Amino acid sequence: AQKITQTQPGMFVQEKEAVTLDCTYDTSDQSYGLFWYKQPSSGEMIFLIYQGSYDEQNATEGRYSLNFQKARKSANLVISASQLGDSAMYFCASHLTQGGSEKLVFGKGMKLTVNP
Amino acid sequence: DTGVSQDPRHKITKRGQNVTFRCDPISEHNRLYWYRQTLGQGPEFLTYFQNEAQLEKSRLLSDRFSAERPKGSFSTLEIQRTEQGDSAMYLCASSSNRGRGYTFGSGTRLTVV
Repeated sequence: AQKITQTQPGMFVQEKEAVTLDCTYDTSDQSYGLFWYKQPSSGEMIFLIYQGSYDEQNATEGRYSLNFQKARKSANLVISASQLGDSAMYFCASHLTQGGSEKLVFGKGMKLTVNP
Repeated sequence: DTGVSQDPRHKITKRGQNVTFRCDPISEHNRLYWYRQTLGQGPEFLTYFQNEAQLEKSRLLSDRFSAERPKGSFSTLEIQRTEQGDSAMYLCASSSNRGRGYTFGSGTRLTVV
């Protein structure tokens, strides 16, 4: 079974500063993927970044990077140069990439507030 | 392609009524998923279709819930005899493979009064 833990209920950051959102995961499978999604107040889940368990390099997508530490089972999201529009809920999620269930397993999320 | 569409965006219903939600996935996506998200929680998996076949169902999908995907295109999620505990956001997602490419709709927010 997969489990995602996000322990930070909320964070505040100043505009233009970098922020790290924590995510730890628990899985006994070797082949899995890790996601970060952003959910603004409008409700849609917006894909930010993906890391495969066999990817040797940390994923980057524009201002987003994923600090993947496989041995520690952590997949922290780093947002550089925060913008006011980054204020939203952020969810870490995982899935199996081979066999087993097709579902995404999400953490409880954390609320990021970017202050001007 | 305008992405994954869900209808309605909001639904208020009285306890005991039946409700049906619709999801139109991205046309070339053969995989379709339903999730439920309650306040303060992450989305929880309900069910998964590959084309028209329903291949996976969560134990959250009680016998009051039924989902269909006729012809492998749009999907419907019906809740019979709604209860207050059914109040949640119902999210639909689609993908073409088991990789990174999930696209979510904006969800249907159900309120049972």
